[in-house]
Parts: sequence; C-alpha cells; structure tokens
Amino acid sequence: AQTVTQSQPEMSVQEAETVTLSCTYDTSESDYYLFWYKQPPSRQMILVIRQEAYKQQNATENRFSVNFQKAAKSFSLKISDSQLGDAAMYFCAYRRSTSNTGKLIFGQGTTLQVKP
Amino acid sequence: EADIYQTPRYLVIGTGKKITLECSQTMGHDKMYWYQQDPGMELHLIHYSYGVNSTEKGDLSSESTVSRIRTEHFPLTLESARPSHTSQYLCASSPKNQETQYFGPGTRLLVL
Repeated sequence: AQTVTQSQPEMSVQEAETVTLSCTYDTSESDYYLFWYKQPPSRQMILVIRQEAYKQQNATENRFSVNFQKAAKSFSLKISDSQLGDAAMYFCAYRRSTSNTGKLIFGQGTTLQVKP
Repeated sequence: EADIYQTPRYLVIGTGKKITLECSQTMGHDKMYWYQQDPGMELHLIHYSYGVNSTEKGDLSSESTVSRIRTEHFPLTLESARPSHTSQYLCASSPKNQETQYFGPGTRLLVL
C-alpha cells in the first residue's frame, strides 16, 4: 500500500525568507502524481502545485517549487519570498496514475507559521 | 477557488440525531469524494463516486452513507450521530480525466 509521510509537524519562517517542507512517500508504482495542497485556517483547501512522476523537470508555480527525487521517493516544497498569507497547513498527497477512483493519499500535514 | 459548496459549515447536534451534510459542485465533475479530517490531522477517504448512481466506500470505515442521484449533488448522511462522529468532513470533486481534486470549505461537526 502507498503511504505518504510528512516528518515536520510544524515549521516557521520569517517573512520574505525561504522555507522547505519535506515529504516522502512509498510506492511500488512507476507512474503517479504528487501534489501539495494548502489549507489555511478555516478556509478551503486549494492546490498549490502538482508533479507527474514521469516528468523529470521539477514543477514550479510562481514562488512555489518542488524538488522531486524519484529514486529517493522524496517530494519537497520550497516556498520563496514567504508571505503572511502563506501561513497554513500544507499537505503532501499521492495518486496512482492508473487509479480509476482518483483517490488521494495524504500525509499528516505540516503547519507553517510565517513571522512578520 | 473552485465552485464546490458544502452546507452547513458548522453543526452542533445531539447524540442519536439523523443528519445530512450537503455537497454540491457546479463544474460538471464526474468524480466526487468525501474525506474525514480530525483537527490538525490528515484526510482520510470515506466515500467516493464515479458518477450518477455509483458510490463506493473509501479506506476509512464510516457509518455514514452517501448517494449520487444527480451529477452535481453528493450528500452524506449519518442515521444516528454519535460523539465519535465529531470531525471535519470535506467534499471534493474532479473531472473525469484530470488528476486534481477541488475541495469544498468543509463541514465541522460536533456531536454532543
């Protein structure tokens, strides 16, 4: 069975600085998708960034980028120029590409605090 | 933010009551999901649906039931609420051939 592990329950970063959130996963599949979702306090969960496993190039979305290491089964999220609005709980998630259900498997989450 | 809605946002109810949590999406997505999330914890899939009249149980055992009579509507029902059902329930949807799931704002349920 696939599992997703986020080993950092809490992280903090100074405004305008860079922070990296860690995620590792376990799977025997070769093709899959990885996601980072952001859940602000009492607000809707939104997609931050996604990565297809067959693509070697790391995904980037504005200030958010990933470091995808397929052999190490690692998928970290880097947030550059952190802003107060980045404070949230961040979830790493995995999905098999052949999944009919599209089911996501989530990590435990990392709460990010941004200090002014 | 995606066009997916959940009502109520907050619900406090007594043990033994029947409740229905509503979830609607206006994007025409085929797939819909219900997740349960305890505070500060990960999400666990409890139900999903491929489309109208198709529902399946997820990984986490749940006493709730779901129905999918219309594409846009995926309600979750608890016949007899118990304190152990206290949690946040998140609804999500995704188009047929897309990987991304879009989440609703969630319903926070407290059963006394």
